[in-house]
Amino acid sequence: DGGITQSPKYLFRKEGQNVTLSCEQNLNHDAMYWYRQDPGQGLRLIYYSQIVNDFQKGDIAEGYSVSREKKESFPLTVTSAQKNPTAFYLCASSIDHWVGNQPQHFGDGTRLSIL
Amino acid sequence: KQEVTQIPAALSVPEGENLVLNCSFTDSAIYNLQWFRQDPGKGLTSLLLIQSSQREQTSGRLNASLDKSSGRSTLYIAASQPGDSATYLCAVHLGANNLFFGTGTRLTVIP
Repeated sequence: DGGITQSPKYLFRKEGQNVTLSCEQNLNHDAMYWYRQDPGQGLRLIYYSQIVNDFQKGDIAEGYSVSREKKESFPLTVTSAQKNPTAFYLCASSIDHWVGNQPQHFGDGTRLSIL
Repeated sequence: KQEVTQIPAALSVPEGENLVLNCSFTDSAIYNLQWFRQDPGKGLTSLLLIQSSQREQTSGRLNASLDKSSGRSTLYIAASQPGDSATYLCAVHLGANNLFFGTGTRLTVIP
């Protein structure tokens, strides 16, 4: 079945450590997105990618980095510069970023915690 | 800046009851609006997407309406079931496919 796979489901970070969250999709979608979800808040956009080898900052990009070397993969690195990384991270994809009538499809998320 | 509000934050209803969830947004120049369901510790499942030119969309027991001019959308759930218990999120698209999310309504359907 086509879908979005995020791994790992749970991740722990030590102080000063970078960690990378994986997101893979087999939906043949051009656009991919990373969101952060905190309790009592709506999802907030971290980064998005319209196409391979392209990505743009979202509303809260500081302390995060991404790459888009392959169409199906959009990994997110949480760097040591992100001082409050504890959150639930969600990856999504859509057929085309510029076609606003296409729904976004989401993975099952990665929960990141600080040790 | 677009703000999306969902009231109430939590709702409990007995099984079988019909219910309405509300979503309001400040900028009416939206491209479309999407309703999602989120189960605890899980990702989002898309329920309905309403284009800006549409007034409503239906899927099974779910009906979503959109009134752009007043900045409101409702999600109507008929004959609620315990399996409907989840958090329901609405999100609006502004042009390009960037979504602005509400904080959600946590629904509990009591058997």
